[in-house]
Amino acid sequence: SQQGEEDPQALSIQEGENATMNCSYKTSINNLQWYRQNSGRGLVHLILIRSNEREKHSGRLRVTLDTSKKSSSLLITASRAADTASYFCATDASNDYKLSFGAGTTVTVRA
Amino acid sequence: KAGVTQTPRYLIKTRGQQVTLSCSPISGHRSVSWYQQTPGQGLQFLFEYFSETQRNKGNFPGRFSGRQFSNSRSEMNVSTLELGDSALYLCASSLWGGGLSYEQYFGPGTRLTVT
Repeated sequence: SQQGEEDPQALSIQEGENATMNCSYKTSINNLQWYRQNSGRGLVHLILIRSNEREKHSGRLRVTLDTSKKSSSLLITASRAADTASYFCATDASNDYKLSFGAGTTVTVRA
Repeated sequence: KAGVTQTPRYLIKTRGQQVTLSCSPISGHRSVSWYQQTPGQGLQFLFEYFSETQRNKGNFPGRFSGRQFSNSRSEMNVSTLELGDSALYLCASSLWGGGLSYEQYFGPGTRLTVT
């Protein structure tokens, strides 16, 4: 079973627009991470936010975490065609040595 | 520094056969995890190894097994293949062994097709 659920499942935006996707999870976590996957290839780590952090930035990425609501959001600003990919949130709980992934959000950026 | 490598990249097997997939982590990484990705179930955790010890195993039948060698390279084996085992198998390595609170570096995956 999957810990996280992403919303929306798919997103289509124009180049230059912002893309926002959300992740909800079920149990207490140590950290939450976001990954990107291009066309069925390996995943690329984007950002990690720890459970005691509320917001984190990395380049055009902004991640928020609300542990009271068990949810996180990923914002990609000024999107580019190269941002077309699937985005996954992943959580790890205390010392269980595994990441639990959500179902992912497929983002399409139109030129 | 070389990334995570997985071999083979593509594999076609017949039901009932067995298969062994290989993963070489980034140099210095001691934690290796395996995941199965399918359109229906998404990314599912298989197992994690650290210093040759399996620390956690996902909810998969005993046909799925793995091991890690002293050089941190890892293999996973699937015996008596079923059609439902067709998937992308991803390996990931990370630097530290204390939980998985660090970024995982993923390999390109092995695409297994069972006919």
